[in-house]
Amino acid sequence: QLQLQESGPGLVKPSETLSLTCTVSGGSISSNSYYWGWIRQPPGKGLEWIGSVYSYTGGTYSNPSLKSRLTMTADTAKNQFSLKMNSVTAADTALYYCARHVRRYCGGTSCFNFHGGGFFDYWGQGALVIVSS
Amino acid sequence: EIVMTQSPATLSVSPGERGTLSCRASQSVSNNLAWYQQKPGQAPRLLIYGASTRATGIPARFSGSGSGTEFTLTISSLQSEDFAVYYCQQYNNWPQTFGQGTKVEIK
Repeated sequence: QLQLQESGPGLVKPSETLSLTCTVSGGSISSNSYYWGWIRQPPGKGLEWIGSVYSYTGGTYSNPSLKSRLTMTADTAKNQFSLKMNSVTAADTALYYCARHVRRYCGGTSCFNFHGGGFFDYWGQGALVIVSS
Repeated sequence: EIVMTQSPATLSVSPGERGTLSCRASQSVSNNLAWYQQKPGQAPRLLIYGASTRATGIPARFSGSGSGTEFTLTISSLQSEDFAVYYCQQYNNWPQTFGQGTKVEIK
């Protein structure tokens, strides 16, 4: 069974950099069928996709509203992927989830890629990050 | 960016009754639409992808329909464990976008 676990500081000062790592067990992040994504949820609010990394090529996809502040990487040797978000403010306080982002679907004898992203089928439990001095 | 709008914001339903949730996209997303369930203190759980395909282990009382811009999630007979918040998500275009959620509460 695939499992994802977020880790990182729970408290970050304003203007500093938020850093989170997601460790994946029970499966490899090297597969060409998946991106590996980050989604956040401010307290009491809805879900916002942050970005995803495609470890097969190292390519990244980011929410345009956050793109200038993001760095996403994948370490296939450690089976981990990471998020860095700089210049944080109180508005970045949220529960941060990592998730497997399905980009390729196989049914019957054929497979096809979703050209606009994909859906999230496995999620971590979430890591609360509070931005405060 | 495609905007996803869910209605109603809150749905009050008695156990055993049918619940119908709606999701509208600001432009066509074909059938590239997923539904998630989130209970308090838990991560979202994938229910439906491809607008109508149930994810592994999801009970048959959950069904999805629609294409283009209008989608529906139906829970045929609400069980106590189904009271939660439900989100739709489109993956037809980057960036990925979610609806604001529908809370299904006990009437």
